[in-house]
Amino acid sequence: EAGVAQSPRYKIIEKRQSVAFWCNPISGHATLYWYQQILGQGPKLLIQFQNNGVVDDSQLPKDRFSAERLKGVDSTLKIQPAKLEDSAVYLCASSFRGEDNSPLHFGNGTRLTVT
Amino acid sequence: GEDVEQSLFLSVREGDSSVINCTYTDSSSTYLYWYKQEPGAGLQLLTYIFSNMDMKQDQRLTVLLNKKDKHLSLRIADTQTGDSAIYFCAESPVGRRALTFGSGTRLQVQP
Repeated sequence: EAGVAQSPRYKIIEKRQSVAFWCNPISGHATLYWYQQILGQGPKLLIQFQNNGVVDDSQLPKDRFSAERLKGVDSTLKIQPAKLEDSAVYLCASSFRGEDNSPLHFGNGTRLTVT
Repeated sequence: GEDVEQSLFLSVREGDSSVINCTYTDSSSTYLYWYKQEPGAGLQLLTYIFSNMDMKQDQRLTVLLNKKDKHLSLRIADTQTGDSAIYFCAESPVGRRALTFGSGTRLQVQP
């Protein structure tokens, strides 16, 4: 089975610019997650979708971050405008049901550098 | 609140056993997970344990859970250089569904 696909792998932008990341989950996985992983830290949840609805976006900085999953499959995460502290790896993950015993499968991430 | 803590670094010699420890705070977590992250890659699920179990063994991996002390450990037998990576433990609190991760333990395996 194909894994979680993310693009681009790397992105370098200047502060105040905009950037978008794309994720294609494993086929049939209803739940999709975006995590932010700052260097030296564990991943931190930004947003969780169940199909095309938002389950949890309590830790998403909504003044600059937005995410959508319009058809319940692919998802995009956008940052506008970017700040220096947004430099991190953005990981997308998916799971079959989003329940406790449904493991998360991660993509390889997009490494964002904001200068 | 939720807080998962791990030691930052562990160094072992090839062939020895490695033990990576984790403490968590949310007693409602029904599953606890171990993930592995190699450089430039995403997180790979290694194993997980249900909260009503004390131990789970999967080939070279042994997970021990002390629910009273909220302590989780991962033992890797016969550690190989290919096991060098960052290991994350994670909990899934009831009602939250998404995983909460620790900061990771970097395992260095010396030949």
